Amino acid sequence: GAGVSQSPRYKVTKRGQDVALRCDPISGHVSLYWYRQALGQGPEFLTYFNYEAQQDKSGLPNDRFSAERPEGSISTLTIQRTEQRDSAMYRCASSWDRGAGNTIYFGEGSWLTVV
Amino acid sequence: GEDVEQSLFLSVREGDSSVINCTYTDSSSTYLYWYKQEPGAGLQLLTYIFSNMDMKQDQRLTVLLNKKDKHLSLRIADTQTGDSAIYFCAEIGGSGNTGKLIFGQGTTLQVKP
Repeated sequence: GAGVSQSPRYKVTKRGQDVALRCDPISGHVSLYWYRQALGQGPEFLTYFNYEAQQDKSGLPNDRFSAERPEGSISTLTIQRTEQRDSAMYRCASSWDRGAGNTIYFGEGSWLTVV
Repeated sequence: GEDVEQSLFLSVREGDSSVINCTYTDSSSTYLYWYKQEPGAGLQLLTYIFSNMDMKQDQRLTVLLNKKDKHLSLRIADTQTGDSAIYFCAEIGGSGNTGKLIFGQGTTLQVKP
């Protein structure tokens, strides 16, 4: 597609429910990233993929968070047993390849509110 | 660890120049970036600079890099009301081989008509 596409744009869920956030990267982009952004803060790295391989998941806050990219294109970030502190904007990004110098393009994000 | 710091707020008058400052800690950073965030929109990549450069100009935008002081700035000439947004400075974290960005907390630019 023309840009990084994320869905849903807005999600309100009850505490304890599972949520799945979807990211469709720019066509042909090898690397895909997930970031989380709290209000008034900059984005914080969660995890990234090169093709279908999850290369770094050091930013995932705990084992309730997981991500997959089974065919090296679309990715899903799943949060199990959501808590209020999970409320944030979740941003997906993609680039041609990993590493410095490869411009990283962000989607519009998915706003998650846990009530 | 890696850290990026920015001033939180800047207010200028339309037509003036804006200068947004950023400091970073990772001396091995190879690329540094400026992103713009408008309400309800994604993060838009404005420009980036390679660490072996000390200046990059792109139309109304000028990026200055002082590698010795680990200081990065973004100058916007002839600032317009449409430039009102949050501006994020970011560096490539770690070895530079992951594409993992470390962001500052963002500077809100307010442009008064």
